[in-house]
Amino acid sequence: GAVVSQHPSWVICKSGTSVKIECRSLDFQATTMFWYRQFPKQSLMLMATSNEGSKATYEQGVEKDKFLINHASLTLSTLTVTSAHPEDSSFYICSAPDSDRVGTEAFFGQGTRLTVV
Amino acid sequence: DQQVKQNSPSLSVQEGRISILNCDYTNSMFDYFLWYKKYPAEGPTFLISISSIKDKNEDGRFTVFLNKSAKHLSLHIVPSQPGDSAVYFCAASAMTDSGNTPLVFGKGTRLSVIA
Repeated sequence: GAVVSQHPSWVICKSGTSVKIECRSLDFQATTMFWYRQFPKQSLMLMATSNEGSKATYEQGVEKDKFLINHASLTLSTLTVTSAHPEDSSFYICSAPDSDRVGTEAFFGQGTRLTVV
Repeated sequence: DQQVKQNSPSLSVQEGRISILNCDYTNSMFDYFLWYKKYPAEGPTFLISISSIKDKNEDGRFTVFLNKSAKHLSLHIVPSQPGDSAVYFCAASAMTDSGNTPLVFGKGTRLSVIA
């Protein structure tokens, strides 16, 4: 199946700093990528939809100025958590569909465990 | 309002027996359903899916059943193996005029298969 690579797998940062998470589709082109966040014992919640060459679409309640998404190429999307605070500590996961039918059999990156201290 | 519900947060099953994980949904627009398996600190791994035009899909030890009238689907694993121990997420998507919606996930069910 398709491979989505996410980096880094874990990061610890100081409060107030910014962290960039990369998501790459290794063997297919992804015009769309999705960013999810998972808090402990909770479900994966969609944060935003990243569209290649255009602005990301954010879900209600997600601050677009805090979670900057860039989808500069068909194989790379980045999520930057700006001015991170301890409440941003979570597990962030990207995914990309491997077909024109968005949402079906989406493949996921390995996830990034962010801890803000 | 949670559109995809997995009401059992955990399930324990003896090795060799059948594991049945349940999922309910409320949005009648959903037309594609998927099950993912997830280990801690890893991304979900796709297991099996089913389209709303079917009521059953089987892949090896995994079978997914869909009851559209009840808005209910289930994942059967038989025989269960210790390596199946993980959190299982049910997910759904819908076709809209602008394309499919992103996946909506349930909260997951932690399966423990006891040797």
